[in-house]
Amino acid sequence: DAKTTQPTSMDCAEGRAANLPCNHSTISGNEYVYWYRQIHSQGPQYIIHGLKNNETNEMASLIITEDRKSSTLILPHATLRDTAVYYCIVSVKAAGNKLTFGGGTRVLVKP
Amino acid sequence: SQTIHQWPATLVQPVGSPLSLECTVEGTSNPNLYWYRQAAGRGLQLLFYSVGIGQISSEVPQNLSASRPQDRQFILSSKKLLLSDSGFYLCAWRGTSGGALGANVLTFGAGSRLTVL
Repeated sequence: DAKTTQPTSMDCAEGRAANLPCNHSTISGNEYVYWYRQIHSQGPQYIIHGLKNNETNEMASLIITEDRKSSTLILPHATLRDTAVYYCIVSVKAAGNKLTFGGGTRVLVKP
Repeated sequence: SQTIHQWPATLVQPVGSPLSLECTVEGTSNPNLYWYRQAAGRGLQLLFYSVGIGQISSEVPQNLSASRPQDRQFILSSKKLLLSDSGFYLCAWRGTSGGALGANVLTFGAGSRLTVL
């Protein structure tokens, strides 16, 4: 699986959009971009994934650049409960494949 | 719907004692199963994963072992715990039968927090 690079931490204001970047310059054509988040003392939670088109669900939006070498997770209206570590992972969408987590971005939403 | 159960939630064990953490998944068949560990303040480290009964892949050399005696049961064990085995252990499953969330998305259990004294 391709490696990803994320900022170690970032702050954002409650009610504002939070834009979390991820670089994956060695991504392969069949690898998807997955985002998870881990709230303190809980197991990670799936947020969203995509291949090349932008995706949106009830939690977030995922913007993938045309060359697929980077992506941005957007939390449209951050709340205090969005404070968590956010992980960006790239992986083939195949059974039997392991998912390796990097350090993630520690997001602190401030009132 | 699919659910994942992990127990015990919290465990305090002396050095040199054995360990058994259990994970079961309901509502799916032939899942991929994973054990991750998270040391205090650190990221998630993949320990073991399994694509079927009796099939275990180990990612890092360590004092732990894993077994999958049944399709939806994954057990993490140790014969003699070390202080360095302390951490937050997470079991996860991943579907293999397609669908937006059923396949290829990891679903984690609530975790087991192990303290070795």
